[in-house]
Amino acid sequence: DTEVTQTPKHLVMGMTNKKSLKCEQHMGHRAMYWYKQKAKKPPELMFVYSYEKLSINESVPSRFSPECPNSSLLNLHLHALQPEDSALYLCASSQAPTGTGLYEQYFGPGTRLTVT
Amino acid sequence: DQQVKQNSPSLSVQEGRISILNCDYTNSMFDYFLWYKKYPAEGPTFLISISSIKDKNEDGRFTVFLNKSAKHLSLHIVPSQPGDSAVYFCAARSLLTGNQFYFGTGTSLTVIP
Repeated sequence: DTEVTQTPKHLVMGMTNKKSLKCEQHMGHRAMYWYKQKAKKPPELMFVYSYEKLSINESVPSRFSPECPNSSLLNLHLHALQPEDSALYLCASSQAPTGTGLYEQYFGPGTRLTVT
Repeated sequence: DQQVKQNSPSLSVQEGRISILNCDYTNSMFDYFLWYKKYPAEGPTFLISISSIKDKNEDGRFTVFLNKSAKHLSLHIVPSQPGDSAVYFCAARSLLTGNQFYFGTGTSLTVIP
C-alpha cells in the first residue's frame, strides 16, 4: 500500500471558521510533511514531522497549527485564515532520513482550500 | 531564493518522439534528485530518482541524467505518449537538511497524438 489519503478533498471556509485537514498513511513512514501549493508554483514546504516530533517549521503563520497524533496520522488545524491562504494543501510521507538513506516522498491528492 | 529551477514552463512534443525536461540547481550540497509527475487535481507522483554518485538512471521509458559540474539534470522520456501529458517537477535534497526537499517550478508537458 503506497497510498497517502487526505480528507476532505475540497474545503470552503470563512475567515472566522476553524477547520482541520487530515492525512493518513500506512506505509510505516516516520516522516510526514505539509506543503502548500498555489497555481503554477512548486509545492512550498510548511512543516515536517519526524518520529512524531515537529522537526521543521518553515516560518508558517500561527493560524496554521500542525499535529501528529501518531505515526500514521497528520492533521493541520486552520483558524482565522485569510483569502490568500486559498491553495492546494498537500500531505506527503517518507522514510525518515538515516545515514545516507535515499528515499522519495509519497504525496496525497491534496485538499483544495478556498477561504472566503 | 529558488535553489531548484525549471526554466521551461511548458513543452509540446509529438507522440513517439523524445521529451527532454531540464532542471538546474544552485546548491552543490544536494546529493539526491527526484522527478515527480503531477496531473491536475492530484498530488505529485514519484517517477524516478538519481543519487549524486551516479550520472544516469534508467527506468523503462524514463531516463534521468545528472551533470554535477553543470549543476544540471534532465529527464528523457522515450517514446513520449499522450498519457505522459502532465506537469513535471524536479526536486532535490541535501543530507545536511535531512527531510527538506526543494522543488522546481514545474514544466507542463503536452504530448500531441
